Amino acid sequence: AQSVAQPEDQVNVAEGNPLTVKCTYSVSGNPYLFWYVQYPNRGLQFLLKYITGDNLVKGSYGFEAEFNKSQTSFHLKKPSALVSDSALYFCAVRDLGDYKLSFGAGTTVTVRA
Amino acid sequence: NAGVTQTPKFQVLKTGQSMTLQCAQDMNHEYMSWYRQDPGMGLRLIHYSVGAGITDQGEVPNGYNVSRSTTEDFPLRLLSAAPSQTSVYFCASRDQTGLNTEAFFGQGTRLTVV
Repeated sequence: AQSVAQPEDQVNVAEGNPLTVKCTYSVSGNPYLFWYVQYPNRGLQFLLKYITGDNLVKGSYGFEAEFNKSQTSFHLKKPSALVSDSALYFCAVRDLGDYKLSFGAGTTVTVRA
Repeated sequence: NAGVTQTPKFQVLKTGQSMTLQCAQDMNHEYMSWYRQDPGMGLRLIHYSVGAGITDQGEVPNGYNVSRSTTEDFPLRLLSAAPSQTSVYFCASRDQTGLNTEAFFGQGTRLTVV
């Protein structure tokens, strides 16, 4: 079975400060890891993914994430947050040998001006 | 470049009514899926399909049916709506080959069952 945990329901940061959204996962095999963002009343938009290779993955809108196999984590980061980054963020995992994509409960990010 | 298109965007049903949520994709993706989104629970998989004629159950399939007669379309049917099915529903598709494994989502259908 595969699962994802996002330990923080909410993250609040000031504009210009670093932003981190935490994610840990559990799979039986090799993980495919994803981050998605959802703006109010919209669908999910893909931000970045880890499939294989370099543990530091860069994605859209200046976001990056670091895959840590020993800690089974895939935290999302942005060096300098913008007010427009305020949204709901989802981490997701798929086992290499499975079709299904499993999501975390989501983390609401609020960036204050 | 439409991507994944869901209709309708909003729907109100009475308990016991049936309806079909439509999903279509124009990317020739083999894999399609339906999720429901509820506050604090993330997205939960209802049903999925790995190709035309092939469907399977996800985490929360009860009360829902699906079919996949073409690659493009993957409708979700509510057989007899219940208030517990009040939710936002998302359809997603992805390529099954290579490393292009990210899913593309529709804009969602907000369903209220009264």
